[in-house]
Amino acid sequence: EAGVAQSPRYRIIEKRQSVAFWCNPISGHATLYWYQQILGQGPKLLIQFQNNGVVDDSQLPKDRFSAERLKGVDSTLKIQPAKLEDSAVYLCASSLAPFRVAGGTYEQYFGPGTRLTVT
Amino acid sequence: GQNIDQPTEMTATEGAIVQINCTYQTSGFNGLFWYQQHAGEAPTFLSYNVLDGLEEKGRFSSFLSRSKGYSYLLLKELQMKDSASYLCAVKNSNYQLIWGAGTKLIIKP
Repeated sequence: EAGVAQSPRYRIIEKRQSVAFWCNPISGHATLYWYQQILGQGPKLLIQFQNNGVVDDSQLPKDRFSAERLKGVDSTLKIQPAKLEDSAVYLCASSLAPFRVAGGTYEQYFGPGTRLTVT
Repeated sequence: GQNIDQPTEMTATEGAIVQINCTYQTSGFNGLFWYQQHAGEAPTFLSYNVLDGLEEKGRFSSFLSRSKGYSYLLLKELQMKDSASYLCAVKNSNYQLIWGAGTKLIIKP
């Protein structure tokens, strides 16, 4: 089965510019996650979608970050305007079911990530 | 607050055994995950524990003690390809996944 696809793999932009990332989850996976991973740290959840609805965006800097998942499949994450501290790897992950299911593993499958450098 | 503690870095010898510890303080508990992440790559799922005890999967085993807020990942017969970061993550009562910073494991010949 095809894995989680992300593009682009790398982006270098100047501060105050805008950037967008795209994610295509594993077919049939209802739950989609966007994470930010700064070098040497664990992933930080930015937003979680269940189909095309937002489940958790409590750590999303909404003044500059936005995300959407139209039709409950692909998703895009946008940063506008970018800051130096946004330099990180942006990981997209999907899982078969929402985590709100007891008794099931429902592990997350990650895409290769997009490495963003803001100069 | 919620936090996951893991050693930052560990070094082990090829063919040996290594234990990576994880302690957690979260608002509730609904399971603990271990992921492996090679440099420049995405995390991949290794194991899941929700009940106390040891789960064995080939060369890798994971242990959980809910009363102590403690888990470990045990890697046997270490191979050079096991050089990676190992991430511990806990699902809390709100079903949010809280991630540790990861333990970088260096394998020496």
